Amino acid sequence: GENVEQHPSTLSVQEGDSAVIKCTYSDSASNYFPWYKQELGKRPQLIIDIRSNVGEKKDQRIAVTLNKTAKHFSLHITETQPEDSAVYFCAARTTGGGNKLTFGTGTQLKVEL
Amino acid sequence: GAVVSQHPSWVICKSGTSVKIECRSLDFQATTMFWYRQFPKQSLMLMATSNEGSKATYEQGVEKDKFLINHASLTLSTLTVTSAHPEDSSFYICSATDDLYGYTFGSGTRLTVV
Repeated sequence: GENVEQHPSTLSVQEGDSAVIKCTYSDSASNYFPWYKQELGKRPQLIIDIRSNVGEKKDQRIAVTLNKTAKHFSLHITETQPEDSAVYFCAARTTGGGNKLTFGTGTQLKVEL
Repeated sequence: GAVVSQHPSWVICKSGTSVKIECRSLDFQATTMFWYRQFPKQSLMLMATSNEGSKATYEQGVEKDKFLINHASLTLSTLTVTSAHPEDSSFYICSATDDLYGYTFGSGTRLTVV
């Protein structure tokens, strides 16, 4: 089945700096890659996603890049703010597995003042 | 937008009893429902996938007789934790999907077994 690895597990940045979180996946059949932000005790919130036919997508301060050949995808947050502090999860969807999402292990992002 | 209502938001039960968690898609028909379990400071681990009217597909290592899933309609799926034990204490989250809205998560249920 699909395996998604995520790095780093914790990331601390200064307010205004950029943050980058990286994920790799194992199944070349995966075709959809969402990123979620989860605050303590809350549901995951979709912040951006990318499909396998696109290499990059941007939404204001958030961008995602996908390298299908290397099976890598990354989340980029620019001009970080304290409210960006949360746990971020990447995920990959495999069409052959009933469209289920496999999640990465998560990154605790802390934006310091 | 799509909304999935999950109840209860938290529950405390005694060891050996059963607990039922409900997820309802409020404004769309969920063709598929996924049930996840999340331990503190860990990722979401898929427990099972269910489609309306058919038996759920459980992930390896998940006991189907302990975690009963019913997906009787396109808007309702339930997860029953039977004979709960303290090690079942966790955060349980459902996620519904259809072809239009992608994946919509419920608000989660914090289960504590004492």
